Amino acid sequence: GNSVTQMEGPVTLSEEAFLTINCTYTATGYPSLFWYVQYPGEGLQLLLKATKADDKGSNKGFEATYRKETTSFHLEKGSVQVSDSAVYFCALSEPGGFKTIFGAGTRLFVKA
Amino acid sequence: GAGVSQSPSNKVTEKGKDVELRCDPISGHTALYWYRQSLGQGLEFLIYFQGNSAPDKSGLPSDRFSAERTGGSVSTLTIQRTQQEDSAVYLCASSHRDKEANTQYFGPGTRLTVL
Repeated sequence: GNSVTQMEGPVTLSEEAFLTINCTYTATGYPSLFWYVQYPGEGLQLLLKATKADDKGSNKGFEATYRKETTSFHLEKGSVQVSDSAVYFCALSEPGGFKTIFGAGTRLFVKA
Repeated sequence: GAGVSQSPSNKVTEKGKDVELRCDPISGHTALYWYRQSLGQGLEFLIYFQGNSAPDKSGLPSDRFSAERTGGSVSTLTIQRTQQEDSAVYLCASSHRDKEANTQYFGPGTRLTVL
């Protein structure tokens, strides 16, 4: 069946460091891919998305590129801030359907 | 416009009692989802509703869990004979498949504590 695997956390970085959170998926067809973020004490919210191969989603300095050949959707940011400390969830939406499958989440801590 | 709302925000109950959790989705969204998030864990899919189609109940952990969606809008998740392992945050989300590639909009959640 369809699945999402993301790197385990927690990830601890210093401010202004480069961030990569790996995400790979297994799916038939062409799912839509998402990154959601959950800031401390808040609900999940969409960070970025990509709906077809080679699309790049971007928001708030974060980017992720839909790589069909490697079935990946890695999240990157060139310079993290303390305010980026949160849990990040990679997800896919099954093509033609409604079900969304989430990864286990990766907790990011950014130190000043 | 208004986002997804959930009530209550917190619920403390005794083991063995029944609880009802409510979700009001964004108006016009055809799909509604329930997830469970245990402390420090990811999202566990429970159930989703899409329009008038039969719901996908494949994620419900036991027959103590049930959900309904009335009039294609408000949904209620019911947990009967609650157990301590049911303690978690229950999240509701809604989406519109034909727009925004099925982006889900989440409510703030209901924190359930079973004593």
